[in-house]
Amino acid sequence: AQSVAQPEDQVNVAEGNPLTVKCTYSVSGNPYLFWYVQYPNRGLQFLLKYITGDNLVKGSYGFEAEFNKSQTSFHLKKPSALVSDSALYFCAVRDRWDSGNTPLVFGKGTRLSVIA
Amino acid sequence: GAVVSQHPSRVICKSGTSVKIECRSLDFQATTMFWYRQFPKQSLMLMATSNEGSKATYEQGVEKDKFLINHASLTLSTLTVTSAHPEDSSFYICSALSDRGGRDTQYFGPGTRLTVL
Repeated sequence: AQSVAQPEDQVNVAEGNPLTVKCTYSVSGNPYLFWYVQYPNRGLQFLLKYITGDNLVKGSYGFEAEFNKSQTSFHLKKPSALVSDSALYFCAVRDRWDSGNTPLVFGKGTRLSVIA
Repeated sequence: GAVVSQHPSRVICKSGTSVKIECRSLDFQATTMFWYRQFPKQSLMLMATSNEGSKATYEQGVEKDKFLINHASLTLSTLTVTSAHPEDSSFYICSALSDRGGRDTQYFGPGTRLTVL
């Protein structure tokens, strides 16, 4: 069974500083990995995904994530944080060999606060 | 990206009544949609998988007679909370699988906040 761990409930960072939101995963095969962002009282917005190929994936709003197979990690990063990046971030995984109808498994979420 | 809408965005109802939530894929067809439930400060919990033209598949612990799902067309899935009670108050989010960006990508609706008095 797949699982996702986001070890930090809360991450605080000063505006302009780099940010990292951590994610580790567990699947029986090879993973499809995703990051989503949720603003208050809103649904989830897709940020980026890793399917195959280059381990560094670039996504929306200047975010990127690096797939590390040996560490089973997919940390989300941004070189310079903005106050508007403050939100709840979810990492999600699906086993690549599952059927296309298999839903994602989500981590518990990490709340990012960017302080001006 | 692909757009998913939900209606209503917010609903308040009395205990014992039924509430229907609609999920629509606006610019693509979705043979598969998912319904999630999110409690405050918690992650998304999958309730059921909805497949167009067939019965929904419910996760363990989710009452299929209480949470009725109908996926009547390739762009519409509905979730009906029957005989709602205060403990059903939650944020309900639907998601649809799209071929855009690969069929493995789920796109989410904006959510529906249900409050049962």
